[in-house]
Amino acid sequence: EDQVTQSPEALRLQEGESSSLNCSYTVSGLRGLFWYRQDPGKGPEFLFTLYSAGEEKEKERLKATLTKKESFLHITAPKPEDSATYLCAVGGYSTLTFGKGTMLLVSP
Amino acid sequence: EAGVAQSPRYKIIEKRQSVAFWCNPISGHATLYWYQQILGQGPKLLIQFQNNGVVDDSQLPKDRFSAERLKGVDSTLKIQPAKLEDSAVYLCASSTGNEQYFGPGTRLTVT
Repeated sequence: EDQVTQSPEALRLQEGESSSLNCSYTVSGLRGLFWYRQDPGKGPEFLFTLYSAGEEKEKERLKATLTKKESFLHITAPKPEDSATYLCAVGGYSTLTFGKGTMLLVSP
Repeated sequence: EAGVAQSPRYKIIEKRQSVAFWCNPISGHATLYWYQQILGQGPKLLIQFQNNGVVDDSQLPKDRFSAERLKGVDSTLKIQPAKLEDSAVYLCASSTGNEQYFGPGTRLTVT
């Protein structure tokens, strides 16, 4: 059974204070590691897909990295508008399995 | 390009009543998914369609939940009868490849 564990559950940062979110996973045959952003009252918004260990992808202040057992979402100099819940999911031979998410709050 | 559309956005019903949700996927997306997201949890897959056919419904409580996808485009998810524990956000997503794109969801409250 595919499993995804995200940590921390919640993270509070000051504007400009860089940090990282963790996603640990176990999966039978990784088809992809996916990061989504979810704002309150909205559906998840696709951010990145990573396919193999060592791969990195960037978008604005976000950078996602992947190893054989975990992925990190690095947030550099965050702004208040980066506040959201960040969800990690793994695709195995079947469909996506999501973690519970990390709720990020960035204060001005 | 229009995103995934869902309706209604909110629904409040009493337990043992029935409810239906509608989803219109992104044009051209053959694969459609229904997820249940309970507060504080990640989305959990209920059912996956590929065109008209069901690919995976292993986590769908079939005694009360049903879903169909008409002509490989729109889809409806029905709950009958509803239980208190069905209170959640029901998300529809569609894809052509690995990345799934989600709609805004329907927030269901069962009282």
